[in-house]
Amino acid sequence: AQKITQTQPGMFVQEKEAVTLDCTYDTSDQSYGLFWYKQPSSGEMIFLIYQGSYDEQNATEGRYSLNFQKARKSANLVISASQLGDSAMYFCAMRSGGSARQLTFGSGTQLTVLP
Amino acid sequence: NAGVTQTPKFQVLKTGQSMTLQCAQDMNHEYMSWYRQDPGMGLRLIHYSVGAGITDQGEVPNGYNVSRSTTEDFPLRLLSAAPSQTSVYFCASSQPGWARNTEAFFGQGTRLTVV
Repeated sequence: AQKITQTQPGMFVQEKEAVTLDCTYDTSDQSYGLFWYKQPSSGEMIFLIYQGSYDEQNATEGRYSLNFQKARKSANLVISASQLGDSAMYFCAMRSGGSARQLTFGSGTQLTVLP
Repeated sequence: NAGVTQTPKFQVLKTGQSMTLQCAQDMNHEYMSWYRQDPGMGLRLIHYSVGAGITDQGEVPNGYNVSRSTTEDFPLRLLSAAPSQTSVYFCASSQPGWARNTEAFFGQGTRLTVV
């Protein structure tokens, strides 16, 4: 079985500062992919960034980066230079195993960027 | 490309009524899934499919039925609606596996209220 844990129900950050959203995962598989999604108040799910279990470097996509610590089974999302538009719910998700059929989500972190 | 099209966007049902949520994708994805989103619980997997004619149960399948006769369509049926099924429902599709470019694409969601 696979499990994702996000321990921060809510986070606040000042505009232009960096913020880290925590994600830990649990799987017995060696092969897995980790995904982060953003859900603004409008409700749609927006894919942000991907990290594979065999990737040696941390993933980066613009202002988003992943702090991937495989031994600790953590994949924290770092948002640099926060903007008001970053206020949203953020979900960490994982798919693992040979067929990797199920995408499992954490409970999410509600990020509020303060002006 | 339309991506994942999910209908309706809003629905109110009376207890005991049945209905079908429609989901169609035009990306030729093998994998399709249905999730429900409840406050504080993230997205929980209801049913999923890894190809036409193949479906399986997720974490919370009770009270829901699915079938997949074509690659494009994956409808979700509520057999006898209950207030506990009040939720936001998302359909998603993806390429198979866990590697890069297997991120899920989501429909816009259906807000269902059962009274």
